[in-house]
Amino acid sequence: QKEVEQDPGPLSVPEGAIVSLNCTYSNSAFQYFMWYRQYSRKGPELLMYTYSSGNKEDGRFTAQVDKSSKYISLFIRDSQPSDSATYLCAMTLSGGYNKLIFGAGTRLAVHP
Amino acid sequence: SAVISQKPSRDICQRGTSLTIQCQVDSQVTMMFWYRQQPGQSLTLIATANQGSEATYESGFVIDKFPISRPNLTFSTLTVSNMSPEDSSIYLCSVAEGKNQPQHFGDGTRLSIL
Repeated sequence: QKEVEQDPGPLSVPEGAIVSLNCTYSNSAFQYFMWYRQYSRKGPELLMYTYSSGNKEDGRFTAQVDKSSKYISLFIRDSQPSDSATYLCAMTLSGGYNKLIFGAGTRLAVHP
Repeated sequence: SAVISQKPSRDICQRGTSLTIQCQVDSQVTMMFWYRQQPGQSLTLIATANQGSEATYESGFVIDKFPISRPNLTFSTLTVSNMSPEDSSIYLCSVAEGKNQPQHFGDGTRLSIL
C-alpha cells in the first residue's frame, strides 16, 4: 500500500465548475500538507501549504485537511481552462526540511 | 520565494555516460533536495544535499550512482552516472528557505537515455 493515494484521473470538467481533488494517506504522523500544480514541461508550483487540520482559502482555491480521517482535499471554484494541469498532493512529517511524500497526481482538464 | 534555475533543461545521452545537472538559487537556502519523476509516476526523493558535508541518500539510491555536491548555500549538482535507459526521468531540484517553510521546485531536467 502506498503512503499517499491519489486518483490519477484524468478529470474533465466544463469551465466554471467546482473541482474537488482528494488524497488519502496512511501515516498519522504527517503534519504538513501541500498541493502543487504542475504544467506540462514545468516543475511543481506550490499552491497551498497547511499545517495540521482545518481549512485554508486562497482566492479560488481552498485546501482542507482532516487528520482524523487521514484525508486532504483541494477545491477549485470557478475553474478556468488555465487550471488544466496535474495536481499533486504532498505531505511531510515536520516542515520543509523533511522529504515530501507525493501522491501520483491528478490530471485535470477544464474545457471552455 | 526563491528563484531556482536548473541546467540543462533537457538532454539526450548515450548509455554508459554520465551527466551533471546544476541547480542555482538566487538566495542562500539551508536545505536543497533532489527528486526524480519517472514517466507517469510521481516524485521520489533521491537525496538531501547538505552544505559542507556528504549528501543524505534515500533507500534505493546510492552515492556511486548519484553523486551530489553542495559547495555553498546557493548551488548544488547532481550527477547521474553510468546511465541506462531506466534512468530516463525528470530530475528536479527543490529548496526550503526555512524549517517550517514549504519546498519550492525548479523546472527540472528532462533526461532521455538511448
